[in-house]
Amino acid sequence: DTEVTQTPKHLVMGMTNKKSLKCEQHMGHRAMYWYKQKAKKPPELMFVYSYEKLSINESVPSRFSPECPNSSLLNLHLHALQPEDSALYLCASSQRGPSTDTQYFGPGTRLTVL
Amino acid sequence: QQQVKQSPQSLIVQKGGISIINCAYENTAFDYFPWYQQFPGKGPALLIAIRPDVSEKKEGRFTISFNKSAKQFSLHIMDSQPGDSATYFCAAGEGGGADGLTFGKGTHLIIQP
Repeated sequence: DTEVTQTPKHLVMGMTNKKSLKCEQHMGHRAMYWYKQKAKKPPELMFVYSYEKLSINESVPSRFSPECPNSSLLNLHLHALQPEDSALYLCASSQRGPSTDTQYFGPGTRLTVL
Repeated sequence: QQQVKQSPQSLIVQKGGISIINCAYENTAFDYFPWYQQFPGKGPALLIAIRPDVSEKKEGRFTISFNKSAKQFSLHIMDSQPGDSATYFCAAGEGGGADGLTFGKGTHLIIQP
């Protein structure tokens, strides 16, 4: 099973709201990732968690706050977003293997900021 | 700075033909080169990947060709089918991809019946 699940599938929020995106995998993977994908654009890396510790933050604004409560779960807390933050937010996970780290992506959360 | 350049932006191929998508990279620290397929409303799905110590890798109808000296790699889809119509992304990563991936801009592939 190579499934990464994400909830919710769709989210509409106002600029003053606080919401969270959730990602879950049960493949025993020890690395988890958040990517942002705008329409007709490639995914862009936001955060990397390795063994539940934040290892990479690609200069993402503080209105995005990641959290990794355990090795299976990854959250992305959203606060005071802007309309330009509307995008597909993708979660991925990988095994943290000795040679290559195949990343498996979830279906994404389609976020609209009004 | 665009670290992975992908071409063409869009491609139309007749059913049964060969689809070819090319990518070039600049960062010599990249050591992992996957290709992803994405359908509308879905997350990217891994098709095939290669390491720089191999010049070619084939899985079914999909083949990656890799030229380390030119810093280029390409995806060939043999016997292209309408079900292959999707957006294809090349990507590259350091540390076997463990530190995340940098994606090309994508190729919108249409296979005409």
